[in-house]
Amino acid sequence: AAGVIQSPRHLIKEKRETATLKCYPIPRHDTVYWYQQGPGQDPQFLISFYEKMQSDKGSIPDRFSAQQFSDYHSELNMSSLELGDSALYFCASSLGTSGGPYNEQFFGPGTRLTVL
Amino acid sequence: AQTVTQSQPEMSVQEAETVTLSCTYDTSESNYYLFWYKQPPSRQMILVIRQEAYKQQNATENRFSVNFQKAAKSFSLKISDSQLGDTAMYFCAFMKFARDDKIIFGKGTRLHILP
Repeated sequence: AAGVIQSPRHLIKEKRETATLKCYPIPRHDTVYWYQQGPGQDPQFLISFYEKMQSDKGSIPDRFSAQQFSDYHSELNMSSLELGDSALYFCASSLGTSGGPYNEQFFGPGTRLTVL
Repeated sequence: AQTVTQSQPEMSVQEAETVTLSCTYDTSESNYYLFWYKQPPSRQMILVIRQEAYKQQNATENRFSVNFQKAAKSFSLKISDSQLGDTAMYFCAFMKFARDDKIIFGKGTRLHILP
């Protein structure tokens, strides 16, 4: 079965540079979530989109922005990178229109961002 | 706000033994979901088991079962006949009973299965 695809899988950037992370949800899934997992930390929710509209926002820095496109893929744009942005960034997708209250979030493999 | 607490940062057990991971949570919601996620060295997030708060019956998935105590806000995971492949970080997690809500994770318990 198709899974969530994230690209790139690994990314190395210098401080103050910009990075773009991409997420391709499972086909037919209309909801995308972004989580950030710092070294030795638990995943923290950043932002989510449902049907191309932002649906919820967590502790996402103002330097970060994200959007969901017409094909439901999502991109997380990160500017003025800081050392503390080094983390594993997960994208998850779900089928928000399943009709039930529970829609399992399927996680992608993550993008490991290293800021030097 | 919801919080999830895992009081065991690290545990080790011998292969084939049974191990229980503890989790407590705090919420004012009456309906919600609780999860245990496994994160092996590959860092992939894998859903192990899910419990709906409105269900009194404890969820089970093969060798994995939970002890859900709603009044005590406790949600422990029992792994029976532990295997080397169970070595991983385990996260207890919470989600409101609402479509498309975010998942809130605990700090995790690192579990080592020893040969």
